[in-house]
Amino acid sequence: DTGVSQNPRHKITKRGQNVTFRCDPISEHNRLYWYRQTLGQGPEFLTYFQNEAQLEKSRLLSDRFSAERPKGSFSTLEIQRTEQGDSAMYLCASSLEGGVWEKLFFGSGTQLSVL
Amino acid sequence: AQSVTQLDSQVPVFEEAPVELRCNYSSSVSVYLFWYVQYPNQGLQLLLKYLSGSTLVKGINGFEAEFNKSQTSFHLRKPSVHISDTAEYFCAVSSPAGGTSYGKLTFGQGTILTVHP
Repeated sequence: DTGVSQNPRHKITKRGQNVTFRCDPISEHNRLYWYRQTLGQGPEFLTYFQNEAQLEKSRLLSDRFSAERPKGSFSTLEIQRTEQGDSAMYLCASSLEGGVWEKLFFGSGTQLSVL
Repeated sequence: AQSVTQLDSQVPVFEEAPVELRCNYSSSVSVYLFWYVQYPNQGLQLLLKYLSGSTLVKGINGFEAEFNKSQTSFHLRKPSVHISDTAEYFCAVSSPAGGTSYGKLTFGQGTILTVHP
């Protein structure tokens, strides 16, 4: 169990540029979640996958955001035409679905700064 | 829809003193309740959870929490804190009713616990 890995740790970009983040979940976990955390707030749910299928998206996820999990392993989150309001910590978590609840394992996050 | 309110944004306390971090939630359906801790430069870690049964739940590092359905609260307590407990603590709820995932959590705003020597 090497934990959930997120890359890069930090990303600075100019407004209008596209950015992509990567998340590598714990290997046997079939569920993968993306959350966003702004300064002084708790994480907010964005979307989740079960294997390669994206099962739910938050209304927070505008059409500039797209997430993929092509082979049911790692996932990418892309933000197109970044805006200053996109500046936040983007968190990834994974879990093994089954039973009456799921324990989420979180990565350390990718901090995005849009200038 | 659910919401979570953490009543204190910052809690300073001296080492070996007791501490309580307060959490209230709102939901029209039954919920699962969680406390997570975030140490600097680390990912969120689960401290404890309430799913059903006994309203007093014990977690890691000596923390415990009590579920109070009538007051819709889930306060976190520790009888004697250590310097190493300095971190940010998040209360969260999930409600799998309606077919959504158990892992879809609604978090509070967080409480920064600072333990002073």
